[in-house]
Amino acid sequence: EAGVVQSPRYKIIEKKQPVAFWCNPISGHNTLYWYLQNLGQGPELLIRYENEEAVDDSQLPKDRFSAERLKGVDSTLKIQPAELGDSAVYLCASSLGRNNEQFFGPGTRLTVL
Amino acid sequence: AQSVSQHNHHVILSEAASLELGCNYSYGGTVNLFWYVQYPGQHLQLLLKYFSGDPLVKGIKGFEAEFIKSKFSFNLRKPSVQWSDTAEYFCAVNTGGFKTIFGAGTRLFVKA
Repeated sequence: EAGVVQSPRYKIIEKKQPVAFWCNPISGHNTLYWYLQNLGQGPELLIRYENEEAVDDSQLPKDRFSAERLKGVDSTLKIQPAELGDSAVYLCASSLGRNNEQFFGPGTRLTVL
Repeated sequence: AQSVSQHNHHVILSEAASLELGCNYSYGGTVNLFWYVQYPGQHLQLLLKYFSGDPLVKGIKGFEAEFIKSKFSFNLRKPSVQWSDTAEYFCAVNTGGFKTIFGAGTRLFVKA
């Protein structure tokens, strides 16, 4: 069974530039999560989807961050414009249902210069 | 606010030593509990989980964890660690099927 796929694995951009991350969850997983992980900390939820509906985006900085999950499968997370403080690892995870174990992708390490 | 505390940020052990990593959470309702592990260069993966029933749960690679409801704790244990257990360990708490909150993680280094 293929795992959660994320791309790119690494991204280096200058501040004020836009950036986008892509996630393909495990087939059949209806719940998809985007997390932010800073160095030395655990993952922090940005947004959770159940199918194509964003059911928890309370921690998503909506002035610069946006996300979509078309057709309830793949998802894209965008930052525009990026700031220095956005440098972190962005993790995507998926699960069968909202309270079950989550399967994580390898993450995208973003560096904003 | 709900939170998850992992008491040790860094732990160094010699092979064959016993391991116990602490995890406490602040939430008074029903919880589902998880330990995830991230080996060097790999992504986060599930080590074990507790939903209900026997509060002592066993996971992969000889790990186990005990849920003590009165103490709001879910400590991870292994009687004898190996060099290959070197990794970062995250405790996570799912509150009523909604939000999952992760602890800050504990980095374990096992000396060969």
